[in-house]
Amino acid sequence: GEDVEQSLFLSVREGDSSVINCTYTDSSSTYLYWYKQEPGAGLQLLTYIFSNMDMKQDQRLTVLLNKKDKHLSLRIADTQTGDSAIYFCAGGSGGYQKVTFGIGTKLQVIP
Amino acid sequence: SQTIHQWPATLVQPVGSPLSLECTVEGTSNPNLYWYRQAAGRGLQLLFYSVGIGQISSEVPQNLSASRPQDRQFILSSKKLLLSDSGFYLCAWSPPPGGPNEQYFGPGTRLTVT
Repeated sequence: GEDVEQSLFLSVREGDSSVINCTYTDSSSTYLYWYKQEPGAGLQLLTYIFSNMDMKQDQRLTVLLNKKDKHLSLRIADTQTGDSAIYFCAGGSGGYQKVTFGIGTKLQVIP
Repeated sequence: SQTIHQWPATLVQPVGSPLSLECTVEGTSNPNLYWYRQAAGRGLQLLFYSVGIGQISSEVPQNLSASRPQDRQFILSSKKLLLSDSGFYLCAWSPPPGGPNEQYFGPGTRLTVT
């Protein structure tokens, strides 16, 4: 089955860019997702990318997909203290197939 | 717009007591529904998913069960709780198949078994 790996922790200064990385094992993953979880809350879908895309941009968020290396990244431009949260990478094949989540990267933004 | 509700928000239950967590979705029809458990504030473990009324798939054998009595209602139950059932329980929905299966999560229930 799918395995999704992420680093556990990232610390950045307010105003800098954050880059959160993720690797996955299943080359048949059709969709790759990024979720954000603030303390004590559920997960919020930030964005997803279809596997035939290399990049997707949505305001301050940029997702890069390297399908050859099975590597996904989320770049947050001009990181704010409100971006402090745990970020989950996930992969799946759409339809009825289940989505596999990584363990989450805790982003700490230093004022 | 679609919304997803979970209750209760927090629950403290003794070992051996029963459990019932409820999840409802508004603003959509025939959603896929999911129950996850998140332990130690990190990784998500898929417990159950449902593609329709009365259709439940179990991912992990355990003392929990799920039911879907109505199209937009998903219930997680246990007859006798264990200490290891403590955790953060998340319900999620996704649109009917044919698309990216993006999942939308509820606010979660924090369960502490004492």
